[in-house]
Amino acid sequence: GNSVTQMEGPVTLSEEAFLTINCTYTATGYPSLFWYVQYPGEGLQLLLKATKADDKGSNKGFEATYRKETTSFHLEKGSVQVSDSAVYFCALTLTDKLIFGTGTRLQVFP
Amino acid sequence: DVKVTQSSRYLVKRTGEKVFLECVQDMDHENMFWYRQDPGLGLRLIYFSYDVKMKEKGDIPEGYSVSREKKERFSLILESASTNQTSMYLCASSSPRSSGGRYEQYFGPGTRLTVT
Repeated sequence: GNSVTQMEGPVTLSEEAFLTINCTYTATGYPSLFWYVQYPGEGLQLLLKATKADDKGSNKGFEATYRKETTSFHLEKGSVQVSDSAVYFCALTLTDKLIFGTGTRLQVFP
Repeated sequence: DVKVTQSSRYLVKRTGEKVFLECVQDMDHENMFWYRQDPGLGLRLIYFSYDVKMKEKGDIPEGYSVSREKKERFSLILESASTNQTSMYLCASSSPRSSGGRYEQYFGPGTRLTVT
C-alpha cells in the first residue's frame, strides 16, 4: 500500500543551525508530495509541494526535492529560527486523499 | 484567504453521549475531510465528502458518521462517544478549482475532544 515514513523527533537545534527532516515514501504510481507544518495550537498549513520527479518545492527558506530514485522528499532549511518550532508532516497523494507521515517535532532554541 | 472554522477548540464529553463536531469553510470548496490526529500515528482520515449529501469512508470510519447538507458545512458525529475517541479532530477542505489544485487541503484549527 501507499505510505510515508519520516524521522522520529523531537529534533532539537540551536538557532541558525542547518535542518534536515527525512521523509521516504512507498507508492503505487507517481504521487504528489507535500510538507505541512503545524504550529502550536493551530491546524496544518501547507509549507511546500512537488508534483513530479526532480521538482523542488520551496517556501519560507525551506526546500525539498522530489527524488524518485530514492523515493524521498527530505525537508531542509539552511538556518532555522525559534519561530520554526513546530510539527512537520510529510504527505503524499495519488488522488484527492492525503496520506500523512507521523510527524516530526522541531524545537529550536535561542 | 481560505478560512476553515471548527465549532469548538476544546470539548469534554461523557462516555455514551452523542457528539457533534461542526466544520465550516468559506471558499465554496467541493471537497471536505475529517481527520483525527494522535501522537505517533499522524493524521488518519475518518470520512470525506466530494459534494453535498455525498460521503465516503476513510481509513477509520468505525464509530463515526458524517453529514453534509450544505456545501460549506461538514459535520462529524460520534453516535455514542467512547474513551478511545479522545483525540484531536481536524477538518479540511479542497477544490480542483483552487490555485493549488485539487490536492491542496486547507485545515481548520482542530477540536481537542476528551471523552471521560
